[in-house]
Amino acid sequence: EDKVVQSPLSLVVHEGDTVTLNCSYEVTNFRSLLWYKQEKKAPTFLFMLTSSGIEKKSGRLSSILDKKELFSILNITATQTGDSAVYLCAQKKDNNAGNMLTFGGGTRLMVKP
Amino acid sequence: DGGITQSPKYLFRKEGQNVTLSCEQNLNHDAMYWYRQDPGQGLRLIYYSQIVNDFQKGDIAEGYSVSREKKESFPLTVTSAQKNPTAFYLCASSLQTGITYEQYFGPGTRLTVT
Repeated sequence: EDKVVQSPLSLVVHEGDTVTLNCSYEVTNFRSLLWYKQEKKAPTFLFMLTSSGIEKKSGRLSSILDKKELFSILNITATQTGDSAVYLCAQKKDNNAGNMLTFGGGTRLMVKP
Repeated sequence: DGGITQSPKYLFRKEGQNVTLSCEQNLNHDAMYWYRQDPGQGLRLIYYSQIVNDFQKGDIAEGYSVSREKKESFPLTVTSAQKNPTAFYLCASSLQTGITYEQYFGPGTRLTVT
């Protein structure tokens, strides 16, 4: 059974800190890994990673994939209170069953002023 | 504006009643999905549909039913057979073809069954 595991479950930091969120996966026919940010309701898309070792960057957020070790990390530098959210990672399988994603349980990040 | 809408935002039902959650998108996406999210947990796939008049069970389809009569609409019915229906329900859509894999999510419906 496909499995996506995120760690830590929750994290409390202060503004300005740097955080690293982890996502490991066990899946056959892996195609890509996605990161989402969920603040109150709808998850919003952050990154999609398909190739190992290539960092994706957007402002203070960056992410990288290691297909050999089957994990991804999401880094947030100089954290702000607006970064407080649940961060979800999801893997996409390469099969004929549509664009299905398997989600991890999420990491709840709280950034204190 | 393009996007996905879900209604209602909050829904309360008595145990034993069926309830239908609405999901509409005007993004011209082929694929649509329903997820369930329980407190402190990730999203679990209930049903998905790749094209009109076709849908497939996800990981936790028992107690749920869907229809896809129009490309824009993918309603979810939570039946009385669903043992723990209280949850946050998210609808999503994506392009079926091409290299875009991200799913766009609606704002969600929080269902409470007592």
